[in-house]
Amino acid sequence: EIVLTQSPGTLSLSPGERATLSCRASQDFGSSYLAWYQQKPGQAPRLLIYGASVRATGIPDRFSGSGSGTDFTLTISRLEPEDFAVYYCQQYGSSPRAFGQGTKVEIK
Amino acid sequence: DVQLVESGGGLVQPGGSLRLSCAVSGFTFSTFSMNWVRQAPGKGLEWLSYISTTSRAIYYADSVKGRLTISRDNANNALYLQLNSLRADDTAVYYCARGGHFGDYSDYWGQGTLVTVSS
Repeated sequence: EIVLTQSPGTLSLSPGERATLSCRASQDFGSSYLAWYQQKPGQAPRLLIYGASVRATGIPDRFSGSGSGTDFTLTISRLEPEDFAVYYCQQYGSSPRAFGQGTKVEIK
Repeated sequence: DVQLVESGGGLVQPGGSLRLSCAVSGFTFSTFSMNWVRQAPGKGLEWLSYISTTSRAIYYADSVKGRLTISRDNANNALYLQLNSLRADDTAVYYCARGGHFGDYSDYWGQGTLVTVSS
């Protein structure tokens, strides 16, 4: 079973700053079957990135994903007010298709 | 527009069962895999189950294996979740989510239905 560990747990930043979120897998799942989601309070998650680096439809280009093997990164180049939320990674290459525990990006 | 609407949530007694439904529209349901995901109050996302387009491939999280059954009705554009022997820690918002075009990530989500397990 692959376990995903996200860090940091909370990221305190100001609008306009760069956010770098990490997702580390317990083992190499040999592919880029890694997705990132954004969730705001009271809302369903929204897909941001799939295939480790492919932006989903309608996602602004300030969001980018990178990585392979066991180490993956979500970068938000310049934080907009609407980007303050919780972010989850998920691997979908094998079962169980676990999520990471989430990183909260909060306003500093 | 793609829409997924869950129903069937509510208050359930410990030890009881529930059946959630997810009605979909705006896409050809039979050509997409589906997932159920839940979120306990104040907690993170927990993947529960996956079903392929033809129901030939079904996977479950260890936390619900033996208690959860996922199914789908392609003729009626509906996804189902049956969860038995409910416990307090099954209290959560349950989401259905569509698999993606290029892999089994979840590209569209319903708004969720709240299940509360309590006496």
